[in-house]
Amino acid sequence: DTAVSQTPKYLVTQMGNDKSIKCEQNLGHDTMYWYKQDSKKFLKIMFSYNNKELIINETVPNRFSPKSPDKAHLNLHINSLELGDSAVYFCASSQESVQADTQYFGPGTRLTVL
Amino acid sequence: GEDVEQSLFLSVREGDSSVINCTYTDSSSTYLYWYKQEPGAGLQLLTYIFSNMDMKQDQRLTVLLNKKDKHLSLRIADTQTGDSAIYFCAETGYSTLTFGKGTMLLVSP
Repeated sequence: DTAVSQTPKYLVTQMGNDKSIKCEQNLGHDTMYWYKQDSKKFLKIMFSYNNKELIINETVPNRFSPKSPDKAHLNLHINSLELGDSAVYFCASSQESVQADTQYFGPGTRLTVL
Repeated sequence: GEDVEQSLFLSVREGDSSVINCTYTDSSSTYLYWYKQEPGAGLQLLTYIFSNMDMKQDQRLTVLLNKKDKHLSLRIADTQTGDSAIYFCAETGYSTLTFGKGTMLLVSP
């Protein structure tokens, strides 16, 4: 069984569109994250949610809005997509939002904005 | 702010040992991690080390930590072609992970 899953795996869309990426974890973890990996493979955290509450919100344009309907899901909605949004987006989860906790990653969603 | 640095590329021959190095700046790091990313795949946790340890061994993997110099290394013994991937060093800062830019390991037969 997949521990952290994301859909879709690939997403190709036009500039200006609105799109969502879904993430689900079946590990019973309390904390979920979104990371962006750019074309140079650099990974940077975007958001962190603990029990459906936002705890970290790095400097990300407010076109990006995470939504957590329950603690097993953290979806990422992006409005007015721009070329620079093209990247691979990784969802992750951990048991708690503490320093010692290991994060487990989903397979990633490759977003291409044309 | 936190910073994690890695060399970008390493090429070895099959059967050799590989050593991937990482330096970090956050002295409050408690855990340091190595993740592996195969082409087109997600991040897979390989191993981690607690900051009060100097070394951790797990089968073919050996992690060495020099906390004074803030230097972390991953040694892969008897490297195989299946080990070809990008390896990310990461350290914890509060509740987030800060990643290095990844080291691409290429293993040739």
